[in-house]
Parts: sequence; structure tokens; C-alpha cells
Amino acid sequence: ETGVTQTPRHLVMGMTNKKSLKCEQHLGHNAMYWYKQSAKKPLELMFVYNFKEQTENNSVPSRFSPECPNSSHLFLHLHTLQPEDSALYLCASSQDHRGRTDTQYFGPGTRLTVL
Amino acid sequence: GQQLNQSPQSMFIQEGEDVSMNCTSSSIFNTWLWYKQDPGEGPVLLIALYKAGELTSNGRLTAQFGITRKDSFLNISASIPSDVGIYFCAGPNLNAGNMLTFGGGTRLMVKP
Repeated sequence: ETGVTQTPRHLVMGMTNKKSLKCEQHLGHNAMYWYKQSAKKPLELMFVYNFKEQTENNSVPSRFSPECPNSSHLFLHLHTLQPEDSALYLCASSQDHRGRTDTQYFGPGTRLTVL
Repeated sequence: GQQLNQSPQSMFIQEGEDVSMNCTSSSIFNTWLWYKQDPGEGPVLLIALYKAGELTSNGRLTAQFGITRKDSFLNISASIPSDVGIYFCAGPNLNAGNMLTFGGGTRLMVKP
């Protein structure tokens, strides 16, 4: 499998549930990202990992908890979410986010609905 | 901070027509990226521009990096129904450690 993959593609959860989103990249990149995309709003950067170290947390509520066990895998653990957290969650990867010409490649996203 | 303004926000065109959209900023960018997002999918990179004045084509798509480094445009020639989607420009934010900044997108609708 090539590129950036995300599972599940769709997720419906209650506000008291705990779930995790998974992202895997097969591009040999060193940086991985989580974005949130809500209807009619620009892409919002949530977290950045570079060489497995978190380098950016864009004021994201603690009910979202990222984990990056290695450069190829990225998780987003979810707990006690709110209905307004319903969105498309996109994972991306790039060679190295500090690079001047760094280009990000996106996964297909997980469509999350919080009831 | 650096922001990217895309226009138009949406376009509804007839199949076969040419399309032009642009992206502007009040600050300089050293790289311009154009992505397309199909409904329910993640953005896919279309064209990357790395030099001021650079003109790059990818099939029916052509993009240019503005000379001032504050703008870029994307043209699509002879549009077809599968061109439908949202087109985003993006560039590394020099004031935020080169994190990508995205424009608000141009939603393209094509009438067969």
C-alpha cells in the first residue's frame, strides 16, 4: 500500500465514548500532522510531529490526545467529545516540516460524527 | 500573521469552459502549493511552485508563482465534470516555523 492511509473512514460516537483514529504513511516521511476540517471553514492544524516528537499543539482541547509511536504511524485518541467536534479529520505527512520546500501529502480523512 | 485569500469562493461553470482562480497574500511566500479536494476525501497535491515567476503545467492545469511572491493563480482549461471539487492554495508560513497555511478554498461546480 502506498501514500497515506487513515482508518476508520467513518466513525459515529457518543459523547462518553473513547475511540482512536489511526494514520499510517508509506512515504518514508519524518513529519506527520493532524488537521480538522469543518464545514465552510479553512483547514485547522491541530498537531505536528517531527521525528516522533510533538513540535506543535495548536491550542487543541485535551479531549484530543495524539500519539506518534514511530515516524510511520500517528494516532488521535478521542474521549468525551462534543457535537461541535464533528468534522473531517485529516492526517498528512511530509519529509520534514522545517524544510523550506516541504510538501504535505494527505490521507483520505476520517469523517467523525459525535452524537 | 500570514493569511491566504482565495477568490472566487465558488464558481459554477459550463463543461468545456476555462477556469481561473487565484490566491493572494499580504506577505511573501517562498512556495505555493495547489491542492484539490474531492467530496469526502483528503486534499490531493496538484502543482507545487518553488520560484517566483515559475509557470508549471499538469495536464489541463497551469499554475504560476507571482513575481511579487505574494500571489499565485491556477487555470484549468476545457473543464470536465470530474474537475468538481474544492481547490486550495497553501504555502509555508514564514512566521510560524514553515507550517503550511491554507486558503479558504474555491469550490468549483461544473454543469455538463
